[in-house]
Amino acid sequence: SAVISQKPSRDICQRGTSLTIQCQVDSQVTMMFWYRQQPGQSLTLIATANQGSEATYESGFVIDKFPISRPNLTFSTLTVSNMSPEDSSIYLCSVEGQGNTEAFFGQGTRLTVV
Amino acid sequence: GESVGLHLPTLSVQEGDNSIINCAYSNSASDYFIWYKQESGKGPQFIIDIRSNMDKRQGQRVTVLLNKTVKHLSLQIAATQPGDSAVYFCAENLPIGGKLIFGQGTELSVKP
Repeated sequence: SAVISQKPSRDICQRGTSLTIQCQVDSQVTMMFWYRQQPGQSLTLIATANQGSEATYESGFVIDKFPISRPNLTFSTLTVSNMSPEDSSIYLCSVEGQGNTEAFFGQGTRLTVV
Repeated sequence: GESVGLHLPTLSVQEGDNSIINCAYSNSASDYFIWYKQESGKGPQFIIDIRSNMDKRQGQRVTVLLNKTVKHLSLQIAATQPGDSAVYFCAENLPIGGKLIFGQGTELSVKP
């Protein structure tokens, strides 16, 4: 299994500002995923981040709002830009296991925008 | 778009009873399915998985059943304990891109 660390674990931010969330994995992985979990709801995939290429965004998510970096095989960042209260959610980093097995998740970043 | 949905958003059971959580998926090409448990303030935790070439898989106190004919997935928890109280999500793996699509979640509440 993979151990995933996310920072910060939570934050309260002013609207109009940006927050960068870090995700560190204890092993090299090809694919990393960023999810959003709005209050009381399920997980929605934001984008897939592969090392050495641009992130692939899902419908409804754009790079200008959620820029992603993937500088190496153990690290990724997600930035939530120009935040509004509607961005208040839990943001989760995930990696795929070997052989298309289960995905492992970080503990999430609980973001509140005021 | 494609989605994975759950029949029961909330489930309350007595300690010691068996729990059954259901899930319907829509993509017949999905080849891998996972059940996750999410406790408050934590990320989803893997419980059990099943591949599309199987109908049933058992773990410790948990069993997952897959019915591909009706695109239905279920999680059975035997002798439910208070520590099982959490939100449970099913997820299907789309064969292209390796991404997971999550169902809406069922909140399981275990009464002592």
